[in-house]
Amino acid sequence: DTEVTQTPKHLVMGMTNKKSLKCEQHMGHRAMYWYKQKAKKPPELMFVYSYEKLSINESVPSRFSPECPNSSLLNLHLHALQPEDSALYLCASSQEFARNTIYFGEGSWLTVV
Amino acid sequence: QQQVKQSPQSLIVQKGGISIINCAYENTAFDYFPWYQQFPGKGPALLIAIRPDVSEKKEGRFTISFNKSAKQFSLHIMDSQPGDSATYFCAASMLSGGYNKLIFGAGTRLAVHP
Repeated sequence: DTEVTQTPKHLVMGMTNKKSLKCEQHMGHRAMYWYKQKAKKPPELMFVYSYEKLSINESVPSRFSPECPNSSLLNLHLHALQPEDSALYLCASSQEFARNTIYFGEGSWLTVV
Repeated sequence: QQQVKQSPQSLIVQKGGISIINCAYENTAFDYFPWYQQFPGKGPALLIAIRPDVSEKKEGRFTISFNKSAKQFSLHIMDSQPGDSATYFCAASMLSGGYNKLIFGAGTRLAVHP
């Protein structure tokens, strides 16, 4: 079982809604990631947090807003999304400054209607 | 130069057969090569990984072969089982700005028929 826990597993939201995806890890990792995965495609990196600070934003639209409240938690706030944003959103973590594995959560399936 | 090319796109193997998935990369800065297994509706799970100073790594029925000079690596699944039916992603990783920059291949959908 993965040690990266994501909630909710499924989310349906309207284009005017505001919702959040949550992620938690207790492996002591200091790098945390958000990926987006469309059907039959590999995961695409969205954001990287390093020591609770945003390190990388891969030109993600501002309707996606990440937040890292502490070293174990990562949120992704969603607002005014479009139907094309429907995808599997994956949280991941890894040890920082180390050539180590990135561990993924089970993902949150998002449908924008 | 950041790409990882993966083939085949899909693969059908009979139960008990050998499944082989190939990947190639260009950037010699990559120094860690994981394989992820993903079942429908689930997140990618690490299957096996190798570093470029090793030419082969075996874990149970899964073996990675690595050819550093050719910049190629492959996954072999011996005695393939229907439960191995999943999408497999090769990846290449390097440290970039203090985090693991992970580049995925396009994925291979494996179906193992009984």
